[in-house]
Parts: sequence; C-alpha cells; structure tokens
Amino acid sequence: KNQVEQSPQSLIILEGKNCTLQCNYTVSPFSNLRWYKQDTGRGPVSLTIMTFSENTKSNGRYTATLDADTKQSSLHITASQLSDSASYICVVSPSGGSYIPTFGRGTSLIVHP
Amino acid sequence: EPEVTQTPSHQVTQMGQEVILRCVPISNHLYFYWYRQILGQKVEFLVSFYNNEISEKSEIFDDQFSVERPDGSNFTLKIRSTKLEDSAMYFCASTHDRGRLQGSPLHFGNGTRLTVT
Repeated sequence: KNQVEQSPQSLIILEGKNCTLQCNYTVSPFSNLRWYKQDTGRGPVSLTIMTFSENTKSNGRYTATLDADTKQSSLHITASQLSDSASYICVVSPSGGSYIPTFGRGTSLIVHP
Repeated sequence: EPEVTQTPSHQVTQMGQEVILRCVPISNHLYFYWYRQILGQKVEFLVSFYNNEISEKSEIFDDQFSVERPDGSNFTLKIRSTKLEDSAMYFCASTHDRGRLQGSPLHFGNGTRLTVT
C-alpha cells in the first residue's frame, strides 16, 4: 500500500531559525514528489515539485531534497518568518496508469517571535 | 494570479439531504479534482475529471457522490444523501496537465467546510 510518512508531527521554532522537515514514502512506481504549505482554513499551496531525476529544488527560502533510492525527501526552511507558521504537506504521485497522489499527514510548524 | 474559487465557504446540512459544492477552476486548466480533509486528518483524493468524464476515483467516491461540469466554467460535487461522516473540508483543485510534467502544480481552492448535523 502506498504510504507517505512525515516527521516531526509538529515543530516549534523561533523566528529567524532554520528547520528541516522529513518525508518518507513507499509509493511505487514513482512519478513526482511535491511539498505544499497549508495555512489554517485554506487550501494547500504548492512550494516545490521534484521528479525522479531531481535531487534538489529551491523556491525562495524553501529548499526541497529528494533521494529516490532511499525514498526520502526533506524540506528545509531558512531564516524562518512568522508567516511560515502552517502545515507542510508532502505529496507523492505514482506513475504507470494511476495518478492518484498519496498525501502525508503534514508537519505543523509554529514560528514564535 | 488566477485562482480556484469555491462556494459556499461553509455549508451546514441535515443528514440525508443533498448538497452541491461548487468550484470555478482556473480558466485554461484541463484537469479538475475534488479532495476532502476531515478535521485533523490528511487530505484525501476523491475524484479526477478530464474531458467531461471521470478519470479516476478513490474508494471514498461511492454512489452517493457525483461530479459534473455543467458549463464551461463550473465544476460541481454532489453528495446525494449526506451522512455525518461526510463532514469535512472539501477542496477543489485544477491543473493544466495531469501533473506528470515538471512544473505542473495543483492549484487548490480554499475549500468548502461541510457540516452534516
């Protein structure tokens, strides 16, 4: 069964600090991995998309990495801001017929001043 | 920047009633989706829609659910006879392609919170 596991479940950091969120998956065959940011009460917003051949992808202060061999991804947030407080969701899509993505439960990040 | 819009933002209904959730996807997008998120749980795929027909559906999307694109702009999700466990946030999303290609993010609306009493 395709699964996406994220850690930690929640994280509290001080403004200006860096943090790294983890995502492990079992989805196979693999098509792409996306990180989304979801503010409370809002829809998810895409941060990065990576395919099999990509190891890293940046979007401003967000940098995602992908190790397709170990089926792991990370999202690194640099110089955190209060507005980074949100849930960060890892989503993995398969290839080869079905495109139904598997969502992780998300990491809830709280940035304190 | 174009947005996916959903109405209403909050819908309260009684068990057994029919509800229709409405979405206006981004105008040049071709693939449309419904997802749901039960409070405190992860987002779950319901259905994808392309070229006026369902492409894929999950096991959640049973006979009580249906989707329709009644005109060139709207995309609707109908729940025929709501149950308490249908209470959730329902998100509509659209994309220009199926997402296999690089740089093809899903654009989500801000959801409709459905409360079944």
